[in-house]
Amino acid sequence: EVQLVESGGGLIQPGGSLRLSCAASGFTVSSNHMSWVRQAPGKGLEWVSVIYRDATTYYADSVRGRFTISRDNSKNMLYVQMKSLRAEDTAVYYCASYDGSGYYGRWGQGTLVTVSS
Amino acid sequence: QSVLTQPPSVSGVPGQRVTISCTGSSSNIGAPYDVHWYQQLPGTAPKLLIYGNSNRPSGVPDRFSGSKSGTSASLAITGLQTEDEADYYCQSYDSSLSGCVFGGGTKLTVL
Repeated sequence: EVQLVESGGGLIQPGGSLRLSCAASGFTVSSNHMSWVRQAPGKGLEWVSVIYRDATTYYADSVRGRFTISRDNSKNMLYVQMKSLRAEDTAVYYCASYDGSGYYGRWGQGTLVTVSS
Repeated sequence: QSVLTQPPSVSGVPGQRVTISCTGSSSNIGAPYDVHWYQQLPGTAPKLLIYGNSNRPSGVPDRFSGSKSGTSASLAITGLQTEDEADYYCQSYDSSLSGCVFGGGTKLTVL
């Protein structure tokens, strides 16, 4: 069974840094395109970042320069390093597989990041 | 403000047919990039409902169908059931933003 499990969320002060992790089972991260998608409380979904199979990365304008997506093939893990966090980064962060046809096929359960003083 | 426009809410009674629209532009749906739909039940992660405009993943009932025309797409749900009460999101790719875009979501209430 395919499972994606996020971790690393929590309460962080504005300007702080946090790294989120996504552990995959029954699924090989390096063989798939992978993304982070977030959802602010009571709001809709927002694409954050993608890392393609060939390790090419892209970011939403709202996080470019502050977030870095990466993966560890040996650990079958996906990460996003977030720095200079702002209140507007408060959201549930989901990791998801991104099919080459442009859809998110598999989702984790999400991890909540709260940026507040 | 979302790049793709959906109605904030729709409602229906059990057994009824409802549709949810998703309107984009020439840089996304009209480009033409495919439209995909997700169902998010309360307190859970989104789940892929329709991919490639009109395809259902294994396990999704055929009560759910999708279509696309020009710069718009629609999700139709027939034989509405109480368990269909959820938020529904459309998604596509936008060439001017070089990234994926979502609709703002539509809350379906089954009366």
